[in-house]
Amino acid sequence: DAGITQSPRHKVTETGTPVTLRCHQTENHRYMYWYRQDPGHGLRLIHYSYGVKDTDKGEVSDGYSVSRSKTEDFLLTLESATSSQTSVYFCAISDATAPELFFGEGSRLTVL
Amino acid sequence: ELKVEQNPLFLSMQEGKNYTIYCNYSTTSDRLYWYRQDPGKSLESLFVLLSNGAVKQEGRLMASLDTKARLSTLHITAAVHDLSATYFCAVAVYNFNKFYFGSGTKLNVKP
Repeated sequence: DAGITQSPRHKVTETGTPVTLRCHQTENHRYMYWYRQDPGHGLRLIHYSYGVKDTDKGEVSDGYSVSRSKTEDFLLTLESATSSQTSVYFCAISDATAPELFFGEGSRLTVL
Repeated sequence: ELKVEQNPLFLSMQEGKNYTIYCNYSTTSDRLYWYRQDPGKSLESLFVLLSNGAVKQEGRLMASLDTKARLSTLHITAAVHDLSATYFCAVAVYNFNKFYFGSGTKLNVKP
């Protein structure tokens, strides 16, 4: 299994509070992604990174920011969480040498 | 806007039957992926299809890719209960660095 660790795995927070989810990889893969999964929508890309300090927006980036200061870490931040951001968040990695996505275990976020 | 459409979205079938899940996508791509997800779990890679005409088989599952039709199929042969899960297809675009997913097909195989 690809070495991908997400933290926290579960979080309950209140509307308006900031939240940061962390993704850590030990594979030295270049590309890292944050997806959210909601019933009826499959997985939707929030942001992705193609290198240290290089990031780009996905389909549903509003309300989210990301940072990647090291190859192994990709952070997803909700500056002011809303109930519509209640979801399961998956981190994934890929590399030019491995043409597929490998997923972390997911982080379940509930915003009350 | 890129679209990846799976059908059916829900599939209830008896053990021993055959069925096909379809994945249509709206842009040019030579890379198509199938994943399996069990409830409360992460996504597990099933197949990676890298060219037109690619066919891969694993046990009772077989996946194929027709890039001209922008269509991939996941065929289930003689279904068993253990295949009950949600199946996703995904397309890689933009130099194969962005991956877009279908909505998933929830498969329930009844004994």
